[in-house]
Amino acid sequence: DAKTTQPNSMESNEEEPVHLPCNHSTISGTDYIHWYRQLPSQGPEYVIHGLTSNVNNRMASLAIAEDRKSSTLILHRATLRDAAVYYCILRDAIGYSGAGSYQLTFGKGTKLSVIP
Amino acid sequence: DAGVTQSPTHLIKTRGQQVTLRCSPKSGHDTVSWYQQALGQGPQFIFQYYEEEERQRGNFPDRFSGHQFPNYSSELNVNALLLGDSALYLCASTKTGGSYWGNQPQHFGDGTRLSIL
Repeated sequence: DAKTTQPNSMESNEEEPVHLPCNHSTISGTDYIHWYRQLPSQGPEYVIHGLTSNVNNRMASLAIAEDRKSSTLILHRATLRDAAVYYCILRDAIGYSGAGSYQLTFGKGTKLSVIP
Repeated sequence: DAGVTQSPTHLIKTRGQQVTLRCSPKSGHDTVSWYQQALGQGPQFIFQYYEEEERQRGNFPDRFSGHQFPNYSSELNVNALLLGDSALYLCASTKTGGSYWGNQPQHFGDGTRLSIL
């Protein structure tokens, strides 16, 4: 899988928007961009994914640069519950049948602190 | 709808012992993956099971083995425990039908915290 680069940590004030950046300059044309987050003492939680177009769901928005070499996860109003480590991961969109591969390769992610 | 459940939540063992961790996937899921997460690090892939067979393996020694049962639940076994095996062990499930696509999210349990004394 192609590598991603994220800041080690970020801070945000509660109820303000948060923009979490991810650089993936070696992304291939068939890579999906996935975001997971891990709250303290919990397993990772899927947040959102996209391929080329910006995506929205109930948790967040994903903005993908036109050249796809970077993306930004947007939390529209940070709450204390959003304090977590956020991981940006690339996944090959090409499917495999039979004994295929589907592992997630995690980096260290971005630790988001939310200030009340 | 129950998500991924893991047991036990915490476990303490001594060096040289053996341990078995258990995972029940989310309802409807057929593929289970195991990850090891050391303190302050991201999870590292151990292996993945589909149709009761190990389909892919990460860079872990043979002391780490697993099993998947007909009901899709899974076990992770670690033999000859070392101090370095102390970590959070995570189970993740997804529905693949044997085909793996880049847009399939994985669902994680909250893990088993294994401490080796």
